[in-house]
Amino acid sequence: AQTVTQSQPEMSVQEAETVTLSCTYDTSESDYYLFWYKQPPSRQMILVIRQEAYKQQNATENRFSVNFQKAAKSFSLKISDSQLGDAAMYFCAYRAPHRDDKIIFGKGTRLHILP
Amino acid sequence: DGGITQSPKYLFRKEGQNVTLSCEQNLNHDAMYWYRQDPGQGLRLIYYSQIVNDFQKGDIAEGYSVSREKKESFPLTVTSAQKNPTAFYLCASSPRQGYGYTFGSGTRLTVV
Repeated sequence: AQTVTQSQPEMSVQEAETVTLSCTYDTSESDYYLFWYKQPPSRQMILVIRQEAYKQQNATENRFSVNFQKAAKSFSLKISDSQLGDAAMYFCAYRAPHRDDKIIFGKGTRLHILP
Repeated sequence: DGGITQSPKYLFRKEGQNVTLSCEQNLNHDAMYWYRQDPGQGLRLIYYSQIVNDFQKGDIAEGYSVSREKKESFPLTVTSAQKNPTAFYLCASSPRQGYGYTFGSGTRLTVV
């Protein structure tokens, strides 16, 4: 069965600095999608970034970028120039479109931004 | 604007009662999902539906029931058989094939 593991329950970073959140996953599929979701204190889940496994190029969205290592089954999120509004719970997630077509979430990493 | 609406935002239930959480979307998405969120547990899948009049159990379906009579609506009933229903419930929808979810704003259910 597919699993998603986030080994860092909590992290802190100084405002304006860069932080990397780790994620590993386990799958036997070759075609799949990976996501990072942000859940701020409002608890609204927000899609941050999406990566297609067949694309070698790492996805980027403004200050957010990923390091996708398919062979290592690793999918880390880098946040540059951290801002106070980045403080949230971050969930790594996996989806294999040709199987159950549901998203499997990691347990999350709570990110604190220090002013 | 398109989106997903969950209601109510807060819900209180007496022990032994069934309650229904509403989830409506106007995104024309085929698939809809219900997740439960507990501290330290991440999101756990309760039920999902990929098409009208069809749905599948997720990882923690016991004590819950759903229906999918319309494409736009996917209500979740928390029955009295659910032993520990106090949690935050999230509804989501998605077009098929590899897209991410769009989430509702959630319902906080508390048993009193």
